[in-house]
Amino acid sequence: NAGVTQTPKFRVLKTGQSMTLLCAQDMNHEYMYWYRQDPGMGLRLIHYSVGEGTTAKGEVPDGYNVSRLKKQNFLLGLESAAPSQTSVYFCASSYTLAGEGTDTQYFGPGTRLTVL
Amino acid sequence: DAKTTQPPSMDCAEGRAANLPCNHSTISGNEYVYWYRQIHSQGPQYIIHGLKNNETNEMASLIITEDRKSSTLILPHATLRDTAVYYCIVRVSNDYKLSFGAGTTVTVRA
Repeated sequence: NAGVTQTPKFRVLKTGQSMTLLCAQDMNHEYMYWYRQDPGMGLRLIHYSVGEGTTAKGEVPDGYNVSRLKKQNFLLGLESAAPSQTSVYFCASSYTLAGEGTDTQYFGPGTRLTVL
Repeated sequence: DAKTTQPPSMDCAEGRAANLPCNHSTISGNEYVYWYRQIHSQGPQYIIHGLKNNETNEMASLIITEDRKSSTLILPHATLRDTAVYYCIVRVSNDYKLSFGAGTTVTVRA
């Protein structure tokens, strides 16, 4: 059981380039999330998905797109990378919310992205 | 979600209990208190959560005051591997996101 995995671990882009970050989970979780973490700061939610084929915006969605074609995968795309998108990106997944506060998010190891 | 206030940093001696406070004076009745931690360069790790009652698991204990306006995370026997940033988060059960603040940087010293 690998949990939540992220690909790639590191990436350097030039301004204007595009790329896709892949998140995969093998826990059969319904919900998946993409966060970014800038130096010295807490995590901020970019986009999330409540199930296969669905996506929704989080706190800082501008400049990013996402897709959830398969339940186990959640992709984060940068169409035209900017230096402001230099950050560490974390993916997370969780069970369907039961309404009883038992939802726990499990995080991947992160992708460190630098945009020059 | 209710805002939380945590001290920016604290030190703890190895083998001693670490008591991490969190203030959430505007918490409402349907909001839970969650604790996560982030060891350097890794993804956040869930520790514990609670609504009203005190909770304990293999990692820590969570003490919530009767008025629910504050809570304390207790690491009973801190080890060097417990050095991390600890986040106190308040959220309603059907809210998707976790709102991470600055957290408390805990340094466990030998």
